[in-house]
Amino acid sequence: GQQVMQIPQYQHVQEGEDFTTYCNSSTTLSNIQWYKQRPGGHPVFLIQLVKSGEVKKQKRLTFQFGEAKKNSSLHITATQTTDVGTYFCAGSLAGGGNKLTFGTGTQLKVEL
Amino acid sequence: DARVTQTPRHKVTEMGQEVTMRCQPILGHNTVFWYRQTMMQGLELLAYFRNRAPLDDSGMPKDRFSAEMPDATLATLKIQPSEPRDSAVYFCASGLVPLGQQGGKTQYFGPGTRLLVL
Repeated sequence: GQQVMQIPQYQHVQEGEDFTTYCNSSTTLSNIQWYKQRPGGHPVFLIQLVKSGEVKKQKRLTFQFGEAKKNSSLHITATQTTDVGTYFCAGSLAGGGNKLTFGTGTQLKVEL
Repeated sequence: DARVTQTPRHKVTEMGQEVTMRCQPILGHNTVFWYRQTMMQGLELLAYFRNRAPLDDSGMPKDRFSAEMPDATLATLKIQPSEPRDSAVYFCASGLVPLGQQGGKTQYFGPGTRLLVL
């Protein structure tokens, strides 16, 4: 079955440092979404990427979708304590309906 | 501010008891998902409904789990009998897929039911 892996599993940074998480799918994706889950909370939608090579920005967050549509990355510039949480990518397959396969997640901790 | 609601938020039960979790999707959404989240397995899809019809429940242990949508405003997930290994956070999510369209659409998650089976 489809597998979506993320690295690293954990990342500990000092406030102000940059952070990147990478997402890799075993199969070509129709689109990819990113979610953030705060400790004790539920996943919250951040963004969706659809096109090959697409890059989108949200303030300090930059999202990329690979040319082959099998990988993606999320980069946070100058992390803040409010960025703490687990970041999940979630991919959908063409013809897969609205079903998403969630990645393994990257847990980010930010220290002052 | 439309939200997915789930009840109960917390449940502690003993092994062998029946557990029923309820979800009210966002009004107008036509897809509903049940996920289970554990430290070891991450977020696993258990069941997926579209227009109240079950489309995929391949991730759900069939012998003890069942998922239904009695109507468009209610989705239920039942475990009978429950076992300690079922301890997890169970999330419901809903989304809107317009008629004739495919592809992943944004999913809106509820707050989850934290289940502990002793």
